[in-house]
Amino acid sequence: GAVVSQHPSWVICKSGTSVKIECRSLDFQATTMFWYRQFPKQSLMLMATSNEGSKATYEQGVEKDKFLINHASLTLSTLTVTSAHPEDSSFYICSARPPFGGYTFGSGTRLTVV
Amino acid sequence: SQQGEEDPQALSIQEGENATMNCSYKTSINNLQWYRQNSGRGLVHLILIRSNEREKHSGRLRVTLDTSKKSSSLLITASRAADTASYFCATDLNTGTASKLTFGTGTRLQVTL
Repeated sequence: GAVVSQHPSWVICKSGTSVKIECRSLDFQATTMFWYRQFPKQSLMLMATSNEGSKATYEQGVEKDKFLINHASLTLSTLTVTSAHPEDSSFYICSARPPFGGYTFGSGTRLTVV
Repeated sequence: SQQGEEDPQALSIQEGENATMNCSYKTSINNLQWYRQNSGRGLVHLILIRSNEREKHSGRLRVTLDTSKKSSSLLITASRAADTASYFCATDLNTGTASKLTFGTGTRLQVTL
């Protein structure tokens, strides 16, 4: 089946630094990937849609300069949280759509900003 | 904005009982999907029901969809302790250029021995 690999699974960083999260489709090409954020005991909120070779589409209220998305190849999308602050601490999950349909999710990245 | 509302927010049952979770959504959809999430983990796809389907089964799972009421339900029969997790409905909206999933608020299911 289609697999999406997400790294790192967890990261702790100091306030003010930047953190990069990678999302790779292992056995299929993904022209579109999705980035979600999930706060404890809450649902997944779509942050942005990552488009290979073009700019990402951000959902309303998501700062594109803070959450930089790069989708430079058909198998890799990255989310960089710039100048992270404690309120950015969350669980970030990516997903992609395999050619044969459905959505496949990464295992998520737990970001803690101290 | 959040597309789906789920109820109950939390459900505690004993092993062997059935668990029913409900999801309501706001706009027209292509399909509705149910996912499971163990604490702090990624999502596992459970079942997909298309907008022209009314009921679907998969093992101990039964999903219904009522597009006139914009609602869906997930029934887990003969629950097991291993079913303890959060369950989310997600609607696949065709926005014209690309579809995307929008998740409901989720139901936290606790199955006790």
